Amino acid sequence: GQNIDQPTEMTATEGAIVQINCTYQTSGFNGLFWYQQHAGEAPTFLSYNVLDGLEEKGRFSSFLSRSKGYSYLLLKELQMKDSASYLCAVKDSNYQLIWGAGTKLIIKP
Amino acid sequence: ETGVTQTPRHLVMGMTNKKSLKCEQHLGHNAMYWYKQSAKKPLELMFVYSLEERVENNSVPSRFSPECPNSSHLFLHLHTLQPEDSALYLCASSQDGQSGANVLTFGAGSRLTVL
Repeated sequence: GQNIDQPTEMTATEGAIVQINCTYQTSGFNGLFWYQQHAGEAPTFLSYNVLDGLEEKGRFSSFLSRSKGYSYLLLKELQMKDSASYLCAVKDSNYQLIWGAGTKLIIKP
Repeated sequence: ETGVTQTPRHLVMGMTNKKSLKCEQHLGHNAMYWYKQSAKKPLELMFVYSLEERVENNSVPSRFSPECPNSSHLFLHLHTLQPEDSALYLCASSQDGQSGANVLTFGAGSRLTVL
């Protein structure tokens, strides 16, 4: 079967750095997405990786290793507003999106 | 308005009621989706419409009935639901269907509680 694994919950301190991991086992690969979802709000797109390596976008970076079936989302200079759930999703060989259950990130002062 | 708008934001219904969820997108996208989001579970794709034609129905019970009258509007008609159907129902839209690096734009969801 197809599976996406990510930690259920993480806690970090304001101003620090946190890395949210995502591992996947899918039938084929056509890209990996990260979305952010604040409580009671719509998920919003953060990043898309289809080639190996690191993509940097301001305080957020996303890394992909296709050979290891692994990605991470790196958040730097954490702010209280970064408290949210982070959803990892992979497009399989049929371009179907397979979703992880999300990681709830709690930022403490 | 811009983006994807869902109404109502909250809905409480009995098991014998009939209600509908509405989704509207103002982005000019040609694909629309219904997802179910339950606590601590992955998003479950329910229905996909591309160019107003249904292209996917992931074995969803018939008590959920979608309708896509045009490329900007999507409905989810609900009848004789079960308590386990209580969840957040998310609507999303995208350009160019499901292929490529197309990004989903989500609405804020309709929180459904079935008593």
